[in-house]
Amino acid sequence: KNEVEQSPQNLTAQEGEFITINCSYSVGISALHWLQQHPGGGIVSLFMLSSGKKKHGRLIATINIQEKHSSLHITASHPRDSAVYICAVLGGAQKLVFGQGTRLTINP
Amino acid sequence: NAGVTQTPKFRILKIGQSMTLQCTQDMNHNYMYWYRQDPGMGLKLIYYSVGAGITDKGEVPNGYNVSRSTTEDFPLRLELAAPSQTSVYFCASRRAGLAGKETQYFGPGTRLLVL
Repeated sequence: KNEVEQSPQNLTAQEGEFITINCSYSVGISALHWLQQHPGGGIVSLFMLSSGKKKHGRLIATINIQEKHSSLHITASHPRDSAVYICAVLGGAQKLVFGQGTRLTINP
Repeated sequence: NAGVTQTPKFRILKIGQSMTLQCTQDMNHNYMYWYRQDPGMGLKLIYYSVGAGITDKGEVPNGYNVSRSTTEDFPLRLELAAPSQTSVYFCASRRAGLAGKETQYFGPGTRLLVL
């Protein structure tokens, strides 16, 4: 079993829908990252959180440390949100362990 | 700042050939990382460095070597290319400090095909 599991693996939705991507992890962590990888391949960091909730524009990330679970939400989704979203946790030895990614497609 | 740059963008190698993937960052970051990304799999750490002259193995180091002679550069060497090394390689860097508080910055990736 992977240390970081994301669900769903693939998600297709219509423009304007509310999107939720989930991340569960099995190790103790000090922080969790959400990353976005566009079709061109570049990876950018969206959020880094160790507790509670963060919001940036239409994106919201939450984490529940006790339940070892995080969610990434996108409100009023748009085709430009189409990308692979990656969850990564910072565990021991200060190294990131990555989920396999969720491929999101937003249709106009 | 250019951020993290990688060269080449794409390369085809024959089995047994060697090559160096270049990675440079201009943010004066202490920490640098090499990852590989295989289709449908999460990024796997190959090697990392916490500063010039210091490197350590990650999860999948076999078949690779690294060096860190300067803060800016962190090249990844493949000595005897094998088809299993076909992948997309990403270099990343971050500042020193509390790892949970620091963003990792990724390069654009190098796509490698070994035939």
